[in-house]
Amino acid sequence: GQSLEQPSEVTAVEGAIVQINCTYQTSGFYGLSWYQQHDGGAPTFLSYNALDGLEETGRFSSFLSRSDSYGYLLLQELQMKDSASYFCAVPNQAGTALIFGKGTTLSVSS
Amino acid sequence: NAGVTQTPKFQVLKTGQSMTLQCAQDMNHEYMSWYRQDPGMGLRLIHYSVGAGITDQGEVPNGYNVSRSTTEDFPLRLLSAAPSQTSVYFCASSPAVGDRTQPQHFGDGTRLSIL
Repeated sequence: GQSLEQPSEVTAVEGAIVQINCTYQTSGFYGLSWYQQHDGGAPTFLSYNALDGLEETGRFSSFLSRSDSYGYLLLQELQMKDSASYFCAVPNQAGTALIFGKGTTLSVSS
Repeated sequence: NAGVTQTPKFQVLKTGQSMTLQCAQDMNHEYMSWYRQDPGMGLRLIHYSVGAGITDQGEVPNGYNVSRSTTEDFPLRLLSAAPSQTSVYFCASSPAVGDRTQPQHFGDGTRLSIL
């Protein structure tokens, strides 16, 4: 089956850069996604990597190395509003549903 | 667009009671899923559906039933509620899974407490 590992907590200060790592084990690979969740609300989609390399979307970037079964989310110029939980996710073996990691809680302080 | 709508937002049940959590989407998405979220456990997949009439089990299906009679609706049934089912439940939908252009859309969740 699928399993994902990510750190439970990360802390940083405003303006800094933080990297949230995710390692995965999967029977078949369709891509790595990242979601953000504020205060227990609805998770929202951030990014997706199907191929190796870096994808950039504004202050957020996501990286994937399929050979290492590893990816990360990079958040630059941190703001207080970036304090949230971040989840990596991969499709299940059949590619019919997403399996999520346990999430990383990011706390940004001033 | 309403997106994914979950009802109720909050519910308190007694052990042994049954109830149905409702989920409806108006985006004509084929894929729908139910997750539960517990502290430190992330989002765990309960059941999912790849289209009307087709459902399958996820990671933690025990104690829950689903059906998918229409594309729009995907209700989750608790047959006999247990305190271990106290959780926040999220419904999600997408046209496809794991596609960058078609991410999952989540409802606002149902906060369920079982006494």
